[in-house]
Amino acid sequence: QVQLVQSGAEVKKPGASVKVSCKASGYTFSDYYMQWVRQAPGQGLEHMGWINPNGGGAYYAQKFRGRVTMTTDTSITTAYMELSSLTSDDTAVYHCARGPIVGALGSFDYWGQGALVTVSS
Amino acid sequence: DIVMAQTPLSLSVTPGQPASISCKSSQSLLHSDGKTYLYWHLQKPGQPPQLLIYEVSNRFSGVPDRFSGSGSGTDFTLKISRVEAEDVGVYYCMHSIQLPLTFGQGTKLEIK
Repeated sequence: QVQLVQSGAEVKKPGASVKVSCKASGYTFSDYYMQWVRQAPGQGLEHMGWINPNGGGAYYAQKFRGRVTMTTDTSITTAYMELSSLTSDDTAVYHCARGPIVGALGSFDYWGQGALVTVSS
Repeated sequence: DIVMAQTPLSLSVTPGQPASISCKSSQSLLHSDGKTYLYWHLQKPGQPPQLLIYEVSNRFSGVPDRFSGSGSGTDFTLKISRVEAEDVGVYYCMHSIQLPLTFGQGTKLEIK
């Protein structure tokens, strides 16, 4: 079965960077985009971007360009999202989500459990 | 960017009664390939979101048939024929017809 298992909670100081991992299993990793979505406390869902594990092309939402880097390591079927220059506004749960198939339009069908990132001095 | 507007933002339903959530997009979600890229996700308390409905009306694997989706163009509806206690959570509509992907604000369903 498809599983996305994310790294644990992190506490960071303002100005620091955080790198969240997402270990995928149960499917061919390179066949699907990996998406990243964040959710601030008590707020809705915000799409950050996606990465194509098959070649590494990525899309970053304008709000995060210049601060976010999404990467993958296909040898261990793991995706990463690194966010730099953190502020308190970046305190949120960061989810990875699978899909759609590379080259297709579509939605996410499986989600990781989320990783809480707290930014506090 | 496409704006997704959900109504209502919250609703309280008696078990066994129906529920309906509306989602309106600021642009048509009908693609030239003939598909409409509108999705519904449910986030149960303390859990990550889960896909309920894809491309307007298709239930994802394992989703009970009391959930149904309908609509076209810019107006969409999620219906629950008979609400059960396990249906509590926040429902989000989402489009993927173009970048950036955007979500509705969410509709919180509670049980009376």
